[in-house]
Amino acid sequence: GAGVSQTPSNKVTEKGKYVELRCDPISGHTALYWYRQSLGQGPEFLIYFQGTGAADDSGLPNDRFFAVRPEGSVSTLKIQRTERGDSAVYLCASSSRQGAQETQYFGPGTRLLVL
Amino acid sequence: AQKITQTQPGMFVQEKEAVTLDCTYDTSDPSYGLFWYKQPSSGEMIFLIYQGSYDQQNATEGRYSLNFQKARKSANLVISASQLGDSAMYFCAMRGPSNYQLIWGAGTKLIIKP
Repeated sequence: GAGVSQTPSNKVTEKGKYVELRCDPISGHTALYWYRQSLGQGPEFLIYFQGTGAADDSGLPNDRFFAVRPEGSVSTLKIQRTERGDSAVYLCASSSRQGAQETQYFGPGTRLLVL
Repeated sequence: AQKITQTQPGMFVQEKEAVTLDCTYDTSDPSYGLFWYKQPSSGEMIFLIYQGSYDQQNATEGRYSLNFQKARKSANLVISASQLGDSAMYFCAMRGPSNYQLIWGAGTKLIIKP
């Protein structure tokens, strides 16, 4: 079956603009995660959804970042008033359920560049 | 707090040789999962192998095996008969029973030489 997909693959924007990044998880996966990966580093957790609700948003860096998953499938990460420091690869992952042993499957990422 | 340490920023290995990528972890949870992912230059994070803290045997998946030493808190990835396509970044990650997120190491850049 299809894996996790993310759009756009690349996004260039200007400082201060608003951006939306989309994630389409593996069909049937109830858990969805957003991570941010800066150059040369491992990913950092942003937010976790179980179904439609954000079960843990402790990784969001500030209130400019917001994510939704209104129907429990596709998720959108929204960044307001973008800053140059927001430039990174934004990774989305999904898993069939929560648990220490559950494997998270990742999409190809969206490379965000804020000029 | 949970932590993953990968001490090898980069490695060069001759094609067809075996390679071991180091990973040590720190956690106070008795139940946890350890994961290895491969990230080629294309950027996608590809799942390789999983080891549960209560698993009695080391995990294996094709040419990948995990050398799990619980007392030492290490979970090294072994790749046998390396291939040019194995050149990539490799990340070790951990997840506890009460965590939703994966905790990641800094990664090791593996380059396979022909």
